[in-house]
Parts: sequence; structure tokens; C-alpha cells
Amino acid sequence: KAGVTQTPRYLIKTRGQQVTLSCSPISGHRSVSWYQQTPGQGLQFLFEYFSETQRNKGNFPGRFSGRQFSNSRSEMNVSTLELGDSALYLCASSSDPGNTIYFGEGSWLTVV
Amino acid sequence: GESVGLHLPTLSVQEGDNSIINCAYSNSASDYFIWYKQESGKGPQFIIDIRSNMDKRQGQRVTVLLNKTVKHLSLQIAATQPGDSAVYFCAENPYNFNKFYFGSGTKLNVKP
Repeated sequence: KAGVTQTPRYLIKTRGQQVTLSCSPISGHRSVSWYQQTPGQGLQFLFEYFSETQRNKGNFPGRFSGRQFSNSRSEMNVSTLELGDSALYLCASSSDPGNTIYFGEGSWLTVV
Repeated sequence: GESVGLHLPTLSVQEGDNSIINCAYSNSASDYFIWYKQESGKGPQFIIDIRSNMDKRQGQRVTVLLNKTVKHLSLQIAATQPGDSAVYFCAENPYNFNKFYFGSGTKLNVKP
């Protein structure tokens, strides 16, 4: 069974631009969550989607948004990029909320 | 917010020895815990999990112990191998969503 797939793996953006990251969950998994990982803050929860609905949101500004499609695939968007948004963005999926979450390899975002 | 901390940021062990990685959590309502292993440049990899109705759970070469009285979690790795070198995170889930709170991580160095 294929794991969580994230694209793109690496990207460089300029401050002020926006970025969209994509995530395909494990087949059959309906819940997708996103995390940001930085050396200073560690792993921090961004948001969680289930059945195309955002169920929970972390403490991030409104520039961070996401959505989930009917096939459970998810995207997250960051608008008006700031230097501090440089991080590894991780997508995780689970069969249902509250079950084990499995991570993808992440998308490395560098903002210059 | 929730707080999941690790007592030792770096642990060095000799190949073949047993390793113990500790984690303290703060929310007594947490009922699900997961240990992850993260190698350089990769996403976190699920190792083992435990629910609050258990005190101990064993996997292949790994054991997780949960002490709810003192809110402490530990990961034991038997016969540590060079391939075990990585950063290990504990995560807690108090709300049955996929909003996990992660510790800061412990780096395990295995000396040949």
C-alpha cells in the first residue's frame, strides 16, 4: 500500500508570494492533517480535515489555509509568504480521526 | 497549550546496548500516545503506540511504557543498531482529533 505522498518535495519562494502544497493520503484514509516543523518550534499542528470539513485548526495566522477534496486528497496554501514560513510541511493521514497518523516525507519550503 | 517534553535532547549508546528514551506529558486527559522516528531529510515514521488503558506495549525490539500517575512515557529499544540513529518524538492526543502534541525530540546516536 502506498504511503502518504506530498508534492512538491522542495520549493523556493520569494517573500510575498503564495504557495500551494499537495497531499495524497494512504488509500482508504479519510482524515488528513498538516503540521509545520521548524528547528525552533518543533512539530506544530496546522489543521485537520475529515470528509472535506476542517475539524480543527492550530494557532497559525489566516494566511495558512487548506482544503480537502472528495477523494480525501488535501492541499494547503500559504499566502503572502514571510521568511519565517520557511519550514518542513508535513501531511499525515489516518483512517479516522483519533487513530494513528502516518506522515509523508514532507515539503521543504524555503522563503527568500 | 499542551506540553510534551523530553528529558534528554541527545542520547549516545553503544551498538548492541538497550536504549531508553523518556517523555513527559502534561495533559492528564491524553488517552493516546505515539512514538515516531525521524531520520534526516525524512518525515516522521510510526514506531509504536499505546492507549491510556494500557501500561505497556511491545513491538519488534521496541517497548513503550506508560505511567499515567506521573504522566510519563518511555520508549525502550533493545539491542540498538546503527540504523536506529535518528531523532525520536513522542506525541500525545487528548481530544480524539488528529491534533497531536509533539515533544521536542531526542537525538539517538548509536556508536559502532
